[in-house]
This record gives sequence, C-alpha cells and structure tokens, in this order.
Amino acid sequence: KAGVTQTPRYLIKTRGQQVTLSCSPISGHRSVSWYQQTPGQGLQFLFEYFSETQRNKGNFPGRFSGRQFSNSRSEMNVSTLELGDSALYLCASSLRWGGEETQYFGPGTRLLVL
Amino acid sequence: AQKVTQAQTEISVVEKEDVTLDCVYETRDTTYYLFWYKQPPSGELVFLIRRNSFDEQNEISGRYSWNFQKSTSSFNFTITASQVVDSAVYFCALRMIYNQGGKLIFGQGTELSVKP
Repeated sequence: KAGVTQTPRYLIKTRGQQVTLSCSPISGHRSVSWYQQTPGQGLQFLFEYFSETQRNKGNFPGRFSGRQFSNSRSEMNVSTLELGDSALYLCASSLRWGGEETQYFGPGTRLLVL
Repeated sequence: AQKVTQAQTEISVVEKEDVTLDCVYETRDTTYYLFWYKQPPSGELVFLIRRNSFDEQNEISGRYSWNFQKSTSSFNFTITASQVVDSAVYFCALRMIYNQGGKLIFGQGTELSVKP
C-alpha cells in the first residue's frame, strides 16, 4: 500500500507570493492533518480535515488555509508569504477522525521563502 | 493546557550502547494517547508506537522498549544495543481522545547520534 505522498517536495518562493501544497493520503484514509516544522517552534498543528470539512484548527494566521476534496486529497495554501513561513510542511493521514486512529506522515514539502 | 517535554535535546552514544529517551507530558484529561515517532534525515515522521492512557503495560518490540508511568506522567523510550541506523530525531507526542480529533502535541524532539 502506498504511503502518504506530498507534492512538491521542495519549493522556493519569494516574500509576498502564495503557495499551494498537495497531500494524497494512504488509500482508504479519510482524515488529513497538516503540521509545520521549524527549528525554532518545532512541530505545530495547522489544521485537520475529515469528509471535506475542517474539524480542527491550530493557532496560525488566516493566511494559512486548506481544503479537502471528495477523494480525501488535501491542499493547503499560504498567501502573502513571509520569511518565517520557511519550514517543512508535513501531512498526515488516518482512517477516521480521532478515536484510536494513528496518523501516518508523508515525506513533507520543504518551503524556502526568500 | 497540554504539553510534552523532551528535556534531552541531543544524545550521542557509541554503537551497541543502550540509550533512553525521556518524555514527560502534561494534561488534565484522564484519557489520551501517547506516541513516539522517528524522523530520519529524509524528513518523514515514522510511527513507532501508540499507547492508550488506560494501558500502563510496558511494551517491547525488538530492540525498542517503552516505559509508561502515569504516576510520573512519563513515557520513556529505550533502545537496546543501539545501531548507526537508529540515528534520527525522535519525537514524543500527546493526543486527546475527546473533542480534538487527530491533533498531535509534539515535544521538541531528541536528536540521537549513534557513532560506530
């Protein structure tokens, strides 16, 4: 069974631009979560989607948004990029929302904002 | 508020040594899950174990073992006879069972370096 896939793997943008990252969950998984990893703040929860609905949101500004499609694939968007948005963005999927589910992570997208 | 603390930022050992990674968590909830993930240089977080707050039994999987003590809010991870391939950053994480879905609260991670 294929794992979680994320595209692109690497991305370079400049301040003020916007970016869209994509995540395809493990086949059959319906819940997708996003995390930001930086050296200073560590791993922080961005948001979580299940059945195309955002179920939970972390403490990030409105520039960070996401969505989930009917096939459970998810995208996250960051508008008006800032230097501090440079990070590894990790996506995780699980069968269902919450409960006993374990989240499995993808390889991440490394975003560099210049 | 919930919090996970991994006090050891970096640990360096020589191959075949045993090493324990500490994890202390804080939560007022009585029902939660605890996790350990491994992050090799490639960046992907690899799931190692999940433990329910109701189950304080220790677990062993090959060279890996986990010690969960609710009384001290600790969930420590021991690697026996470490190998170079164990070099990675290890994260301990906490998740509430009710009302917060899959949100994981991570510790800052412990970077383990195993030298030949």
